[in-house]
Amino acid sequence: DVKVTQSSRYLVKRTGEKVFLECVQDMDHENMFWYRQDPGLGLRLIYFSYDVKMKEKGDIPEGYSVSREKKERFSLILESASTNQTSMYLCASSLAGLEAFFGQGTRLTVV
Amino acid sequence: AQSVTQLGSHVSVSEGALVLLRCNYSSSVPPYLFWYVQYPNQGLQLLLKYTTGATLVKGINGFEAEFKKSETSFHLTKPSAHMSDAAEYFCAVSGASGTYKYIFGTGTRLKVLA
Repeated sequence: DVKVTQSSRYLVKRTGEKVFLECVQDMDHENMFWYRQDPGLGLRLIYFSYDVKMKEKGDIPEGYSVSREKKERFSLILESASTNQTSMYLCASSLAGLEAFFGQGTRLTVV
Repeated sequence: AQSVTQLGSHVSVSEGALVLLRCNYSSSVPPYLFWYVQYPNQGLQLLLKYTTGATLVKGINGFEAEFKKSETSFHLTKPSAHMSDAAEYFCAVSGASGTYKYIFGTGTRLKVLA
């Protein structure tokens, strides 16, 4: 059974904190993605990675960075969390664009 | 650039009635098209996909969608709605640029009335 696992379902962080969201996939997929989901806006791509140590900015990369040191793991980093980064964060992986498999999501609240 | 438009952010149907969720896309290359479903506080689950071949594709839970190139549409249908179909549905497109980014619509929340 294929699996994308996000390290936390719910997180509460303080403004200014550095936040790490972790994602691990067990399908040997080369592509991994971080999306942010907000009501009425759908899913917006923050960053994606098509290989180890390779990354590209998505549509809303400001305030975020990513790390992919191993093929199975893709981390999203909020350098200095702000209240406007309160959102649902979804990680996904795929093989050559055929379909994306999603994790359960991390609901982040920044107070 | 690719884009996806889902008409209707909220759709209500009666139990047993036809479900029709609309999706139009723009793409400069032959697209891959997807429908995903999301239940509350969950990730997205694939319902069905079109990559190549037959333009009418069947998915899980009785859903199907038809790729119409001339209309740039990929509408999702189900003949008879069930209460368990209440969820949010997302249409997505990928396939351009060789990097396989997925572009999502803004979603349609389906409500099923008893």
